[in-house]
Amino acid sequence: AQSVTQLDSQVPVFEEAPVELRCNYSSSVSVYLFWYVQYPNQGLQLLLKYLSGSTLVKGINGFEAEFNKSQTSFHLRKPSVHISDTAEYFCAVRKYTGNQFYFGTGTSLTVIP
Amino acid sequence: NAGVTQTPKFRILKIGQSMTLQCAQDMNHNYMYWYRQDPGMGLKLIYYSVGAGITDKGEVPNGYNVSRSTTEDFPLRLELAAPSQTSVYFCASSYELAGYNEQFFGPGTRLTVL
Repeated sequence: AQSVTQLDSQVPVFEEAPVELRCNYSSSVSVYLFWYVQYPNQGLQLLLKYLSGSTLVKGINGFEAEFNKSQTSFHLRKPSVHISDTAEYFCAVRKYTGNQFYFGTGTSLTVIP
Repeated sequence: NAGVTQTPKFRILKIGQSMTLQCAQDMNHNYMYWYRQDPGMGLKLIYYSVGAGITDKGEVPNGYNVSRSTTEDFPLRLELAAPSQTSVYFCASSYELAGYNEQFFGPGTRLTVL
């Protein structure tokens, strides 16, 4: 089974400061990687995804993530956060050959005015 | 398109009762999924379906049943509800032909079993 670790359960950050949300995964095979965002009382929305090619992936709302195969990581970054970025963020993986997505336990980002 | 819709939004059950959580999608997606989300635990896959008439178990299928008689609908059945099934349930769908496509999520059903 796949394993996805989000090392920080809560991340408080001041408005306009940069932020990095960390994600590591364990897999012996190639995987697709994703970041989803969940606003309060809503379902998950896709922020960005890595399928292949360039290791730096840009997503919506100014977020980007970098795939590092040697460290099996897929950290999410934003250079300047806004109040509206306050939400829960989930990292997920899926094997190339498989139907299941595996989610991390989530990181709660709180942007402080 | 309405996307992925779920009903009801909220429900309180007594121990031992049964209910069906409804999920529908109007995007002609072939894959559909049911997840449960518990605080601090992320999402766990309960069941999924790769097409009408085909379902398979995920990580946590015990206590649940599913069916997929049409492309659009993927109901989740709880038999003999237990407090451990208190959770938020999300339905998702995706279109899979060759390789991968993203999942689209419904707004969730918040279930409490007392």
